[in-house]
Amino acid sequence: GAVVSQHPSRVICKSGTSVKIECRSLDFQATTMFWYRQFPKQSLMLMATSNEGSKATYEQGVEKDKFLINHASLTLSTLTVTSAHPEDSSFYICSAVETGTSNYEQYFGPGTRLTVT
Amino acid sequence: GENVEQHPSTLSVQEGDSAVIKCTYSDSASNYFPWYKQELGKRPQLIIDIRSNVGEKKDQRIAVTLNKTAKHFSLHITETQPEDSAVYFCAATPSGGSYIPTFGRGTSLIVHP
Repeated sequence: GAVVSQHPSRVICKSGTSVKIECRSLDFQATTMFWYRQFPKQSLMLMATSNEGSKATYEQGVEKDKFLINHASLTLSTLTVTSAHPEDSSFYICSAVETGTSNYEQYFGPGTRLTVT
Repeated sequence: GENVEQHPSTLSVQEGDSAVIKCTYSDSASNYFPWYKQELGKRPQLIIDIRSNVGEKKDQRIAVTLNKTAKHFSLHITETQPEDSAVYFCAATPSGGSYIPTFGRGTSLIVHP
C-alpha cells in the first residue's frame, strides 16, 4: 500500500528558531501534498496545498511567510516553521494524493509533534 | 465552500453494542466521502469510504451509508470492541480534481469493556 513518511516525528525547539519538517511519499509519486495542523482534541485543519514545481496554496489565515512550503520533487514536500513561537506548538500532519489517479484517497504521514519552548 | 457537520462529538457504548456517527455536508458537488480513525498521537487511517454513485458500502463490522438528496452520510460500527475506541472523522471531497477534503470535527468513540 501507499506509504507516506514524515520526519522528524517529534521536535522541541526554542522560540525564535526555525524547524523543517519533511514529508515523503515512499512508493508512489505525489504531485499534490497537503499540510495539516491539529491541536489537541480538535479536527485536522488544512494549512496549505503543496504542488510539485509551483507555489503552495495557503488557506485563509495561514501566514505564507511563516510556514514555508517547498515541493521540489514528486516525492518530497517540506514545511518550515520560521521564527517559531510557543503558539506554533502543535501536531503537524502531511498527506499525499497519488499522481495520475482519479482516486481521491489521501495517504497520511505519521505526523510531527512540534513543541516550542 | 463546503461545510461538514459531525455528530455526536462524544459517543460512549458498551462492548458489543452498535455505534452510529452522522455527518452532513453542504456542497452538492462533493462526491467522495471517507471516514478516518485516529488514535491518540497517530495518523488518521482510512477505514472506509463511499462515492456518490453508491448508497451503501460494508466492510465486515463497518458500514457507511450515503443519502445524496439529503446530503448526509453515516458510519455504522457493529459489535463494537474496546480497540474501536478512537476519534473518528468524516470528510467530504468535491469533484473537479482539487482533492481537498473538508473534515468534520470528529467523534470520540469510547467502547467500555
